[in-house]
Amino acid sequence: AQSVTQLGSHVSVSEGALVLLRCNYSSSVPPYLFWYVQYPNQGLQLLLKYTSAATLVKGINGFEAEFKKSETSFHLTKPSAHMSDAAEYFCAVSITGRRALTFGSGTRLQVQP
Amino acid sequence: KAGVTQTPRYLIKTRGQQVTLSCSPISGHRSVSWYQQTPGQGLQFLFEYFSETQRNKGNFPGRFSGRQFSNSRSEMNVSTLELGDSALYLCASSLFSPSGGDNEQFFGPGTRLTVL
Repeated sequence: AQSVTQLGSHVSVSEGALVLLRCNYSSSVPPYLFWYVQYPNQGLQLLLKYTSAATLVKGINGFEAEFKKSETSFHLTKPSAHMSDAAEYFCAVSITGRRALTFGSGTRLQVQP
Repeated sequence: KAGVTQTPRYLIKTRGQQVTLSCSPISGHRSVSWYQQTPGQGLQFLFEYFSETQRNKGNFPGRFSGRQFSNSRSEMNVSTLELGDSALYLCASSLFSPSGGDNEQFFGPGTRLTVL
């Protein structure tokens, strides 16, 4: 079975500061990893995904994540936070042959002016 | 291309009733998955349908069921509603490929169900 742990249910940064949202996964087989963002009263939007092509994945809105197998991590980063980045972020894992996503508990990002 | 649409967006029911939620996937997407989102349990996979067949099922009681039609539209049904069924129900569609797991899932805005 797969699982995802997101450290920190709430993260607060200043506008312009580095954003780092942590995600660790557990999977007995090579995983596919995703980061989704959810704005209030909306569904989930894919930020980026890792599907084994490259360990450093660039996504939308300036976000990127690095797959580190040795650390079983897939942390999300953005060099400079913008007010519009305030939202809830979810890390998710799936495996070959199974489309079902297993989500982490989410991290709410607050951006201070 | 239109996104995933879900109807209704909001629903209020009472305990013991049943409810049907609808999802129209992105045109050309043949796989539809359903998720439940609650503050306590987070996002949990309910089931996935492809070609009118349930392919995977999450750990939910039999009160939760679904189906998919030949045009890929999907419905989920919850019978004998309980207070704990209050949640945001999200539908996601994706292209179908044999590998499966690497397909991006596109989510709809969800249906917020409140059970009184």
